[in-house]
Amino acid sequence: RKEVEQDPGPFNVPEGATVAFNCTYSNSASQSFFWYRQDCRKEPKLLMSVYSSGNEDGRFTAQLNRASQYISLLIRDSKLSDSATYLCVVINNDMRFGAGTRLTVKP
Amino acid sequence: EAQVTQNPRYLITVTGKKLTVTCSQNMNHEYMSWYRQDPGLGLRQIYYSMNVEVTDKGDVPEGYKVSRKEKRNFPLILESPSPNQTSLYFCASSLVQDTQYFGPGTRLTVL
Repeated sequence: RKEVEQDPGPFNVPEGATVAFNCTYSNSASQSFFWYRQDCRKEPKLLMSVYSSGNEDGRFTAQLNRASQYISLLIRDSKLSDSATYLCVVINNDMRFGAGTRLTVKP
Repeated sequence: EAQVTQNPRYLITVTGKKLTVTCSQNMNHEYMSWYRQDPGLGLRQIYYSMNVEVTDKGDVPEGYKVSRKEKRNFPLILESPSPNQTSLYFCASSLVQDTQYFGPGTRLTVL
């Protein structure tokens, strides 16, 4: 079993839709959690950290469920520019990346 | 401008020909690392460095070497590249081991 698992997608949604991704992790001692965004053929960039209490940044909401060992990312009112691959990252003693979930937002 | 730079951006080489991919950051970050990214496997860490002269193996270190003689530079060395090292490589840096800033990537093809 991979340490960090994501549904690879692709998720194809129309503009304005709400879409959610989950990411499960196997190490219960994991301490920090992040979502990164990666555009095609570009480097990953930090989207947002994930806090235990959940956090929101504009149209994006991230949540952590320690009991079930997963993190989630919710995108509301999706835009064409949200099309990208979303990587979840889990830190214990090292950084573990999920393989990414690909999102395509269509007109 | 704060950034991580990598060179070269693209490289096609042949099996066994030693190569070095340079990585440099101008943010005075302590932590630097190298990843490879392959379809379906995501980013896998090759080596990392917590500070000058301190390097450690990541998940997939075989066939790679690194050095950290200066804080800003963290080159990746392939002494004898093989086709299974064909991949997209990213260098990254951060103040501590959390929010990482990635370089633009180096696409390597080993024939």
